[in-house]
Amino acid sequence: KQEVTQIPAALSVPEGENLVLNCSFTDSAIYNLQWFRQDPGKGLTSLLLIQSSQREQTSGRLNASLDKSSGRSTLYIAASQPGDSATYLCAVPRGGYNKLIFGAGTRLAVHP
Amino acid sequence: GAVVSQHPSRVICKSGTSVKIECRSLDFQATTMFWYRQFPKQSLMLMATSNEGSKATYEQGVEKDKFLINHASLTLSTLTVTSAHPEDSSFYICSAGAGLQTEAFFGQGTRLTVV
Repeated sequence: KQEVTQIPAALSVPEGENLVLNCSFTDSAIYNLQWFRQDPGKGLTSLLLIQSSQREQTSGRLNASLDKSSGRSTLYIAASQPGDSATYLCAVPRGGYNKLIFGAGTRLAVHP
Repeated sequence: GAVVSQHPSRVICKSGTSVKIECRSLDFQATTMFWYRQFPKQSLMLMATSNEGSKATYEQGVEKDKFLINHASLTLSTLTVTSAHPEDSSFYICSAGAGLQTEAFFGQGTRLTVV
């Protein structure tokens, strides 16, 4: 049974720091891995999708890496800003469909 | 990216009544949509898979007679919470993707409060 774990559960940093959020999964037979952002009381915003054949994806200040063999993905946030404050979730699909298994999330607070 | 629209964003209802939540894919056709539930400070848990033109499939522990799902067209799935109770109060959110192994897009979510 696939399980997804995210570390740390919460993070509070001053503005400008470079951040590392970790995600691990127990079954390496995944098609892709997706990172999301969730603001309080809101839906999910897709940040990055990494296919199983890829090692990393970049979007602006965000970079996500994937190491399938070790069951790990990392989300790097460069030069963090207060507007980055949110919960970050990683998820892997069950089978080939978009039926996702989520980690518990990392709650990020970036203070000025 | 693709857009999934969910309505309403918030609803308050009395115990015993039913509430319908709509999920629409605005710029692509989705033969399959998914419904999740999120309790406070917890992550999302899949409730059911909505299949266009056929019955929904439910995750273990989810009552199919309580959470009715209808996927009548390629762009619309509805979740009806029947005979709602306070313990059904939660954040419900739908998702859809344009195909296998593609990016999943999520609606804005619906905050249901049963009083």
